[in-house]
Amino acid sequence: AQKVTQAQTEISVVEKEDVTLDCVYETRDTTYYLFWYKQPPSGELVFLIRRNSFDEQNEISGRYSWNFQKSTSSFNFTITASQVVDSAVYFCALSEAQNYGQNFVFGPGTRLSVLP
Amino acid sequence: DSGVTQTPKHLITATGQRVTLRCSPRSGDLSVYWYQQSLDQGLQFLIQYYNGEERAKGNILERFSAQQFPDLHSELNLSSLELGDSALYFCASSITSGREEQYFGPGTRLTVT
Repeated sequence: AQKVTQAQTEISVVEKEDVTLDCVYETRDTTYYLFWYKQPPSGELVFLIRRNSFDEQNEISGRYSWNFQKSTSSFNFTITASQVVDSAVYFCALSEAQNYGQNFVFGPGTRLSVLP
Repeated sequence: DSGVTQTPKHLITATGQRVTLRCSPRSGDLSVYWYQQSLDQGLQFLIQYYNGEERAKGNILERFSAQQFPDLHSELNLSSLELGDSALYFCASSITSGREEQYFGPGTRLTVT
């Protein structure tokens, strides 16, 4: 069965610190997709990144970077030089094919607080 | 603004009642997804529709049902409501199948009293 674990419930850092959010997933499928979403205090969910299971290349987008390692079933997210605006709940998610669609499982989320 | 609209924003109703939540996807998106976010269950995928057809089901209760209409808007029907159904219900849309980016609406907050 699918499962996503985000072991860090809450993280608090001071502005400009680097922070890594961990995500570990479980799946029996060989084809799957991994996502990260951000939910700021305003409540909306914002897409950050999608990775398919065949692409293990790390990705960097500005201050954000992602490390995908199939060997450890992990898809970790690092924010470099954190800012107060990064304060949010971050969700890691896994999707697998179901019928002709996709079934999604979200982790419990990590609440990041960036203090000035 | 993601381009996905949801109505109403807030809904307060009593146990045993039935409500309908509405979602309009981004222009051009064919897939609609429904999610439930509650404090105890977290964010849960309920169901996916693609161009009017059900494509995938998650943890959707039998008391809940959804449909997608020819104009691609979708409705989530919740019946025989219980206190535990109080949650934030999100709709999302994507261009096709769900393997790509999803755009989320602002959510409907349902309170069952």
